[in-house]
Amino acid sequence: GIQVEQSPPDLILQEGANSTLRCNFSDSVNNLQWFHQNPWGQLINLFYIPSGTKQNGRLSATTVATERYSLLYISSSQTTDSGVYFCAVEWPPGGNKLVFGAGTILRVKS
Amino acid sequence: DTGVSQDPRHKITKRGQNVTFRCDPISEHNRLYWYRQTLGQGPEFLTYFQNEAQLEKSRLLSDRFSAERPKGSFSTLEIQRTEQGDSAMYLCASSLAKGGQPRFGPGTRLTVL
Repeated sequence: GIQVEQSPPDLILQEGANSTLRCNFSDSVNNLQWFHQNPWGQLINLFYIPSGTKQNGRLSATTVATERYSLLYISSSQTTDSGVYFCAVEWPPGGNKLVFGAGTILRVKS
Repeated sequence: DTGVSQDPRHKITKRGQNVTFRCDPISEHNRLYWYRQTLGQGPEFLTYFQNEAQLEKSRLLSDRFSAERPKGSFSTLEIQRTEQGDSAMYLCASSLAKGGQPRFGPGTRLTVL
């Protein structure tokens, strides 16, 4: 099966700082998504980004499918950004399930 | 769109007991998924339905687990003879169709004592 690896495993930021989270995957994929899991466990869709770059407010994401990685950028971080960030890929391609990485735990301090 | 709802949100049970969880998907979504998440890990796929048909099951879904979606709307996940290793967050998601982005519910946190 496919391997999905995220780095760093955890990150502590001062409010206002920027950060980059990385997701590497071991095979070609058609679908990659980024999620934020808040402290209460709710998974929130951030981006559907099989390739290219998207931006939504202070967050942006870039996927380079040919090199099998994706990056999530958080700018001007806020305490409400704290939680766990997951990337997930659809596997097998065209299939019906998501394979998640282990996540990056982000804590933003005020 | 009221989102995906799950009930209960928390369940504490003793080893050997049976438990049942319910998921209500977004009403127009025909696909429904169950995932399990243990501490420090990402969610892992358990099973999915298209309408009332269960089309795929992970090998994680042992014979103590059974899922149903009898009328193609809500779904239930039952665990029989619970074990301590079943302690986890059970997440439900739904989506419109193949390739649609799944929307996740708040999860049911199970603790087996």
